[in-house]
Amino acid sequence: RKEVEQDPGPFNVPEGATVAFNCTYSNSASQSFFWYRQDCRKEPKLLMSVYSSGNEDGRFTAQLNRASQYISLLIRDSKLSDSATYLCVVNSGTGKLIFGQGTTLQVKP
Amino acid sequence: DGGITQSPKYLFRKEGQNVTLSCEQNLNHDAMYWYRQDPGQGLRLIYYSQIVNDFQKGDIAEGYSVSREKKESFPLTVTSAQKNPTAFYLCASRVREYSYNEQFFGPGTRLTVL
Repeated sequence: RKEVEQDPGPFNVPEGATVAFNCTYSNSASQSFFWYRQDCRKEPKLLMSVYSSGNEDGRFTAQLNRASQYISLLIRDSKLSDSATYLCVVNSGTGKLIFGQGTTLQVKP
Repeated sequence: DGGITQSPKYLFRKEGQNVTLSCEQNLNHDAMYWYRQDPGQGLRLIYYSQIVNDFQKGDIAEGYSVSREKKESFPLTVTSAQKNPTAFYLCASRVREYSYNEQFFGPGTRLTVL
């Protein structure tokens, strides 16, 4: 079993839709969690950290469920510019960051 | 502005040649990393360094070498022993390896072997 697993997609949604991605992790000792965004042929960039209480940044909401060992990213009112690959990143518990394979989102007009 | 720079952006190399990719950061981070990304694939860790004059192999170190003589710099050499070197190479840094902090990435170098 991979340490961090994501559904690769692609998720094809119309503009204005709400879309959610989940990411599961295997190490229950993991302490910090992040979502990164990677545009085609570019470097990954930090989208948001994921806090235990959940956090929101505009149209983006991140949640952590420690009991079930997953994190989620919710995007409301999708824009064309949200089309990208979203990487789930988990601190393994020893401090090492483990990257998921990424989930591809394509927002259609 | 603080950040990570990589050069060159695009690199072409003939088979059998070694090539060195540059990575510099002015974030005062202790830890630095090299990843490889192939089309449609995730990131794979090549080498990482927790501190100056120290580095460890990642998951796919064969055919690569690194050095860490200065805190700011972590160059990667792709040797002729690397069987399939054409890929997108990403350098990253972090405050410390064993921490709760995120990583920051440079813009990447796209290497093509002709």
